[in-house]
Amino acid sequence: ETGVTQSPTHLIKTRGQQVTLRCSSQSGHNTVSWYQQALGQGPQFIFQYYREEENGRGNFPPRFSGLQFPNYSSELNVNALELDDSALYLCASSLQGEGGEAFFGQGTRLTVV
Amino acid sequence: GENVEQHPSTLSVQEGDSAVIKCTYSDSASNYFPWYKQELGKGPQLIIDIRSNVGEKKDQRIAVTLNKTAKHFSLHITETQPEDSAVYFCADDAGGTSYGKLTFGQGTILTVHP
Repeated sequence: ETGVTQSPTHLIKTRGQQVTLRCSSQSGHNTVSWYQQALGQGPQFIFQYYREEENGRGNFPPRFSGLQFPNYSSELNVNALELDDSALYLCASSLQGEGGEAFFGQGTRLTVV
Repeated sequence: GENVEQHPSTLSVQEGDSAVIKCTYSDSASNYFPWYKQELGKGPQLIIDIRSNVGEKKDQRIAVTLNKTAKHFSLHITETQPEDSAVYFCADDAGGTSYGKLTFGQGTILTVHP
């Protein structure tokens, strides 16, 4: 067990709706990164939060947004859901700086219908 | 990093055999290379990692080698067991302002037959 927890584990949404996914980071970690994993592929970096600010973003549109709270937990928000947003969403917590191994939660399986 | 290529996409071995998975990367700034194991319905689990100032690292039955000149790194699993069956991902991290922003390979489905 990594100590990284995500909720909910599964979610079904309708196209056009909005969704919020949550992540609690491992104790002692100050950085949370979010990844999207489509079926049969490797995870793709969405963005990272450090000190409550976005600290880098991958190739994802602005309708993907996030927050980090003072306790280092984080949210991923996706607006105007599209069918292609169906995927496993993973968060990883780490300690910023060299040596910061990233530990993943179990993921949230999002299905958009 | 920019791009990580992983081979093979599937690997089938007999219990007790060795398994080798290879990755190449394109970003010369990459300096950290983790390997993850993902079982069905679970998140990726960090199994071993290596940094750019080291050529090889071993942890019991698993080892990782890194060739920075050729920009490739490999995972070696010896004496494979059925519980090693899973999807394995390599990744790289360019460090600097990019710590923790991993670029993953496409994954290798490893099947160990009893």
